[in-house]
Amino acid sequence: GAVVSQHPSRVICKSGTSVKIECRSLDFQATTMFWYRQFPKQSLMLMATSNEGSKATYEQGVEKDKFLINHASLTLSTLTVTSAHPEDSSFYICSARDLDRGTEAFFGQGTRLTVV
Amino acid sequence: KNQVEQSPQSLIILEGKNCTLQCNYTVSPFSNLRWYKQDTGRGPVSLTIMTFSENTKSNGRYTATLDADTKQSSLHITASQLSDSASYICVVNSGYALNFGKGTSLLVTP
Repeated sequence: GAVVSQHPSRVICKSGTSVKIECRSLDFQATTMFWYRQFPKQSLMLMATSNEGSKATYEQGVEKDKFLINHASLTLSTLTVTSAHPEDSSFYICSARDLDRGTEAFFGQGTRLTVV
Repeated sequence: KNQVEQSPQSLIILEGKNCTLQCNYTVSPFSNLRWYKQDTGRGPVSLTIMTFSENTKSNGRYTATLDADTKQSSLHITASQLSDSASYICVVNSGYALNFGKGTSLLVTP
């Protein structure tokens, strides 16, 4: 199957700082990337969808100015959590879709963000 | 509203035993249904994918079933191992969106 690499796997940052999470598709071109957030014992919640070269589409309730998404190339998307607060502590997961492979998306390993 | 309901929420079984996880959905239209295994602190990994015309699909000790008429799916795990301890997530693809269940947390004990 296709490989999606997410980095870092864990990050601890101070409140008020910004954190960038990278999501790379290693062996395919990701026309669409998705960013999810997962709280303990909860399902994945879609935050935003991004298509290469265009602005991301955010789900209702997700602050676009706080969660900056850039999908500048067909193999890389980044999520930047700006001015992080302890309530932003969560597990963030990206997934990437290659339209040539159909409608399925492949998941990254996830990033555990802890804001102290 | 597209929904995916999984049961049970959590399950504890002894190593070597079998178990079955359930997934009921109201997603429409329907493209396919996947079962994922998610280890703690990791991203989901696909176990099986089923399309509308498929009733049963196996992947090693994992067997998934699908009844598209009743909109129900199950994941059967045979001869469970300690490494099967994880969250199992049912995801129904409508073709333009992925609809996630909340998962079943499985703990396999010695």
